[in-house]
Amino acid sequence: SYELTQPPSVSVSPGQTASITCSGDKLGDQYAYWYQQRPGQSPILIIYQDTKRPSGIPERFSGSSSGNTATLTIRGTQSMDEAEYYCQAWDSTTVVFGGGTKLTVL
Amino acid sequence: QLQLQESGPGLVKSSETLSLTCIVSGGAINWNNYYWGWIRQPPGKGLEWIATLYDSGSTFYNPSLKSRVTTSVDTSKNQFSLRLTSVTAADTAVYYCARLCLHLEDSSFDAFDIWGQGTMVIVSS
Repeated sequence: SYELTQPPSVSVSPGQTASITCSGDKLGDQYAYWYQQRPGQSPILIIYQDTKRPSGIPERFSGSSSGNTATLTIRGTQSMDEAEYYCQAWDSTTVVFGGGTKLTVL
Repeated sequence: QLQLQESGPGLVKSSETLSLTCIVSGGAINWNNYYWGWIRQPPGKGLEWIATLYDSGSTFYNPSLKSRVTTSVDTSKNQFSLRLTSVTAADTAVYYCARLCLHLEDSSFDAFDIWGQGTMVIVSS
């Protein structure tokens, strides 16, 4: 079955740039989506169609995709960005989620 | 503003059927540009997709759960539902409902843009 691979954890200092990758064999042909989930809260869509940001999502969040890897970048990371981040893609009509990356802001 | 609210029993006995409802407010459930979905998250684990649905004729299920899942839509009540049969402890999770956008160009699936707050379901022995 199709899988998306994320690093389990990423650490970043406040104000620095964090990058979270998502790798999958079909990502080169499919869009990637990113969700942020703070502890005890529901996921929030922060990036869709590889690079687009929904209304209300801060500009410090950006997405990119190259080959079979999608990347979520957070510039000027803030303590409020400490959360779990999930990538997601479509395998035809099947939803595939990455395992999630815990972002720690030290 | 569209809101989703899951409802259902928080405790289900092993081998019985889990039934949840997602109430949609602030918008019609039968908008052409949207599907709906169920996603769950076991304690301390990641997200697992369960189902995507528009109406009873347009449903897609996670292959690993397909034999135990049914979904339905009640447009008169503006809600949709999930049934999961023969539950075990492995089905203990927070269950989320979400709205699924479609690409305007070709109506293929896009992002889950609005999520409910989630409801915890514990399967007890």
